[in-house]
Amino acid sequence: DTEVTQTPKHLVMGMTNKKSLKCEQHMGHRAMYWYKQKAKKPPELMFVYSYEKLSINESVPSRFSPECPNSSLLNLHLHALQPEDSALYLCASSRMPLRDEKLFFGSGTQLSVL
Amino acid sequence: GDSVTQMEGPVTLSEEAFLTINCTYTATGYPSLFWYVQYPGEGLQLLLKATKADDKGSNKGFEATYRKETTSFHLEKGSVQVSDSAVYFCALRKETSGSRLTFGEGTQLTVNP
Repeated sequence: DTEVTQTPKHLVMGMTNKKSLKCEQHMGHRAMYWYKQKAKKPPELMFVYSYEKLSINESVPSRFSPECPNSSLLNLHLHALQPEDSALYLCASSRMPLRDEKLFFGSGTQLSVL
Repeated sequence: GDSVTQMEGPVTLSEEAFLTINCTYTATGYPSLFWYVQYPGEGLQLLLKATKADDKGSNKGFEATYRKETTSFHLEKGSVQVSDSAVYFCALRKETSGSRLTFGEGTQLTVNP
């Protein structure tokens, strides 16, 4: 199994809603990542978990709350989002959080905030 | 800070044409360099990588050589196919920056039959 699975594929939410994005990998990877990608732009790093501990938070607003319940799962909890948060949210994993390691990306959750 | 500059797109080619997508970088130290590809509606996939100067990465007919003297990592393919239509991202990563990948802006490639 060399996949990173993200659910849901599409999500529409209002600014007062609370929702969660989920990401799962069964490759035994110990680093997991959340990226945000706006249309026609490169992905922007949001968070990195290394050995299930948050190691990087790229000054992301607190309305985004990551969680890593175990080594295979990564969640992103969303609350009181703004329309400008609409984007493709990509999860990725790598065997180790090291320079040369390949990142495996999921297909993403396309989020629309109304 | 570190940065990656890619040639501006979009790039449109006919099938079997030669492809070059230019990528240059600015970074201190010794970054690893990557090309990722994103097909429509999908996440990114690693296409190839090079971890030190003069390394050549290659995969699926694509290749790129890490040139430290010109700080470049240009992507080439001798004969493109319609199925190569995608967005291509050049990226770098340094040990000292933890797990951060620094991406270029991406280049949209369209190959017509």
